[in-house]
Amino acid sequence: NAGVTQTPKFQVLKTGQSMTLQCAQDMNHNSMYWYRQDPGMGLRLIYYSASEGTTDKGEVPNGYNVSRLNKREFSLRLESAAPSQTSVYFCASSEPGLAGKGYFGAGTRLSVL
Amino acid sequence: DAKTTQPPSMDCAEGRAANLPCNHSTISGNEYVYWYRQIHSQGPQYIIHGLKNNETNEMASLIITEDRKSSTLILPHATLRDTAVYYCIVWNNQGGKLIFGQGTELSVKP
Repeated sequence: NAGVTQTPKFQVLKTGQSMTLQCAQDMNHNSMYWYRQDPGMGLRLIYYSASEGTTDKGEVPNGYNVSRLNKREFSLRLESAAPSQTSVYFCASSEPGLAGKGYFGAGTRLSVL
Repeated sequence: DAKTTQPPSMDCAEGRAANLPCNHSTISGNEYVYWYRQIHSQGPQYIIHGLKNNETNEMASLIITEDRKSSTLILPHATLRDTAVYYCIVWNNQGGKLIFGQGTELSVKP
């Protein structure tokens, strides 16, 4: 099992460009999450999906959209990237019945110039 | 979801026990205490969780006070590889979201 896979690992964007960060898990988990982590800071929840077809805002949702395409995949879209969105983005999923136990991807390092 | 308070940083000598405290005075009856750690630049890693009773696994022990208002994560024999940021999270099993605080940066020194 690969666990939680994020693509791409690195990305550089210009201000105003759009892109989609991809996340897939192969553990049959219901819940999936997107976080961002700025340098020297803790993780902040962007969006959350409790199950296929449902999404919910987290702490910092502005400037982002998400799609829970199916049970495996949860994507994060930046429609018009801004320098303030320069960050490391982590995707996570968690077990049915034990949804506090999360499994994290390796992260996507995004720079917006 | 209840908030947690952790010291921003701690040091520990290699081979000694590392005791990381967490205050969660507003925790409610259906909320669990979860601990994660994040080694530099990597994704966070689950360590342990508990509701009321003390818990132990191959990585650590979790001691929860009787009133459940605080807990302590114990790494019994800290190694240099345990240097990381440790996060204490309170999570409820009715639609709770995994919300991370600032965590404690643990430095294990030779």
